Amino acid sequence: AQSVTQLGSHVSVSEGALVLLRCNYSSSVPPYLFWYVQYPNQGLQLLLKYTTGATLVKGINGFEAEFKKSETSFHLTKPSAHMSDAAEYFCAVSERSGSSNTGKLIFGQGTTLQVKP
Amino acid sequence: DAGITQSPRHKVTETGTPVTLRCHQTENHRYMYWYRQDPGHGLRLIHYSYGVKDTDKGEVSDGYSVSRSKTEDFLLTLESATSSQTSVYFCATSLDRVDTEAFFGQGTRLTVV
Repeated sequence: AQSVTQLGSHVSVSEGALVLLRCNYSSSVPPYLFWYVQYPNQGLQLLLKYTTGATLVKGINGFEAEFKKSETSFHLTKPSAHMSDAAEYFCAVSERSGSSNTGKLIFGQGTTLQVKP
Repeated sequence: DAGITQSPRHKVTETGTPVTLRCHQTENHRYMYWYRQDPGHGLRLIHYSYGVKDTDKGEVSDGYSVSRSKTEDFLLTLESATSSQTSVYFCATSLDRVDTEAFFGQGTRLTVV
């Protein structure tokens, strides 16, 4: 069975600093991986996803993530934080059964990003 | 973005009463989901649907039922609301089993008193 662990429920950075949000997954088959962002009082919005191919994935708002199979990781980064990046971020993995997706996503517990001026 | 509308957006109800939340989508996505979001738990899947009248349980389905009589509508019913069901409920859709990118509604904040 697949699972997702996000390291750190709260991360605080200064404006202009590097953002690094950590996500590790557990899967016995090649995973589909996602990062979502949730702004206050809103639903989740897709930032980026990895399915196959290039392991460095670029998303919206300057975010990117790298799939590292050897480390079972899919960490989210942004070179320079902006105040508007303050939100909650969720890593998710697509549940697989054999070589097929079941159609369900498994989410991590979320990481709240605080950006200080 | 997928057009997903949840109603109501906020609701306060009393313990023991039935409650129905509605999710309506305009994207003709096959898959629809109900999640609940609670602090420290992220999003947990309650029920999902893979087609009209085809539904299945998620990890936290006890006390909830769902129905999908049309592609565009997915209803979540709390049969007898309890305080532990106070939460924010999100509906999501995805195109199909292969493309599992999910599109989310704005959420329904439910308080059971």
